[in-house]
Amino acid sequence: DVKVTQSSRYLVKRTGEKVFLECVQDMDHENMFWYRQDPGLGLRLIYFSYDVKMKEKGDIPEGYSVSREKKERFSLILESASTNQTSMYLCASSLGSPLHFGNGTRLTVT
Amino acid sequence: RKEVEQDPGPFNVPEGATVAFNCTYSNSASQSFFWYRQDCRKEPKLLMSVYSSGNEDGRFTAQLNRASQYISLLIRDSKLSDSATYLCVVNQGWTSGTYKYIFGTGTRLKVLA
Repeated sequence: DVKVTQSSRYLVKRTGEKVFLECVQDMDHENMFWYRQDPGLGLRLIYFSYDVKMKEKGDIPEGYSVSREKKERFSLILESASTNQTSMYLCASSLGSPLHFGNGTRLTVT
Repeated sequence: RKEVEQDPGPFNVPEGATVAFNCTYSNSASQSFFWYRQDCRKEPKLLMSVYSSGNEDGRFTAQLNRASQYISLLIRDSKLSDSATYLCVVNQGWTSGTYKYIFGTGTRLKVLA
């Protein structure tokens, strides 16, 4: 079974803080994704990576950056957290077919 | 028009009932299709992929109709544990520099005792 692990289940941060969300997958998948999920808006793609050091902006990249230094790890960075970034963050990986999700990080920015 | 549309529900059904959900998609070039189950405040989990010939996994049957651009999920003999939100996911392949998955907003199912 594919295992996608997100480092934190719940996080509470203050406005203006720099926030790191980490994601690790154990199946040698090339493609990794960061989504956020909000009620009524569904899942929205923040960033996508198809290889080490390669990244592509998704639909809502503003206020976020990413890092992929190793194939198994894809990090999402909130440069200066704001209250409108309070959300459920989901990491996923794939080898070109179904997505496999991590268990999510529920981030609250106060 | 949304790229992937689902009836949000909730569908309230008694235990043992059969229930069906549909999901329509707008891009005829979409390549692959999936149903995910999501429990409250948890991550989506793959329920089944959807193939052109239709496929079945126990009480669950998924179908794809490319001509009419919809996929369906049928749940037979509903259990209380089937209560969840069911997400339709469409893979459009490599599009505009990204590997594009489009998500429906989900259909909520409540199975009642």
